Amino acid sequence: EDKVVQSPLSLVVHEGDTVTLNCSYEVTNFRSLLWYKQEKKAPTFLFMLTSSGIEKKSGRLSSILDKKELFSILNITATQTGDSAIYLCAITGANNLFFGTGTRLTVIP
Amino acid sequence: SAVISQKPSRDICQRGTSLTIQCQVDSQVTMMFWYRQQPGQSLTLIATANQGSEATYESGFVIDKFPISRPNLTFSTLTVSNMSPEDSSIYLCSVGLQGAREQYFGPGTRLTVT
Repeated sequence: EDKVVQSPLSLVVHEGDTVTLNCSYEVTNFRSLLWYKQEKKAPTFLFMLTSSGIEKKSGRLSSILDKKELFSILNITATQTGDSAIYLCAITGANNLFFGTGTRLTVIP
Repeated sequence: SAVISQKPSRDICQRGTSLTIQCQVDSQVTMMFWYRQQPGQSLTLIATANQGSEATYESGFVIDKFPISRPNLTFSTLTVSNMSPEDSSIYLCSVGLQGAREQYFGPGTRLTVT
């Protein structure tokens, strides 16, 4: 059965801190791992990762995948209050997209 | 990416009634999906909306409760039938690109059933 485990479940940091969010997975026929940011209703696409060891970067956010150890991390540097959200990790395998429960990040001024 | 719109953005409905949610995409896409996110939970896939044929439902979801239409490659509807308070959720449509390895979500519909 496909499984996605995210940690920590929640995190409170101060502006300017750097955070690392973790995602481990088990999946049949891995195709990709995706990261989303969910602030209100709709998740916003951040990254799609398919290959090990290749860092994807967008501004202060970056992510990398380890297909041997079956995990991914999402880094956010110099956090801002606008980064406060739930960050969701999802995998696509044999059974479409399967989401983890998310990490709730709160950035306080 | 794709631009996706959903209607309505929110609704409050009485138990026993039905609500149809519309999802419109700005380009033709092969794969469209419907998800539910119950309060405090992550997203759960309801079904894959197939163009020109019946939707493919995930375990725990049935067509009688969640009928789906997909008349063309840019539009789909999800109906939540005979609603109960347990159906109060956010309902999201998404489209799959790159063979569904990459998915983009619509803005969601927040449904409250009283």
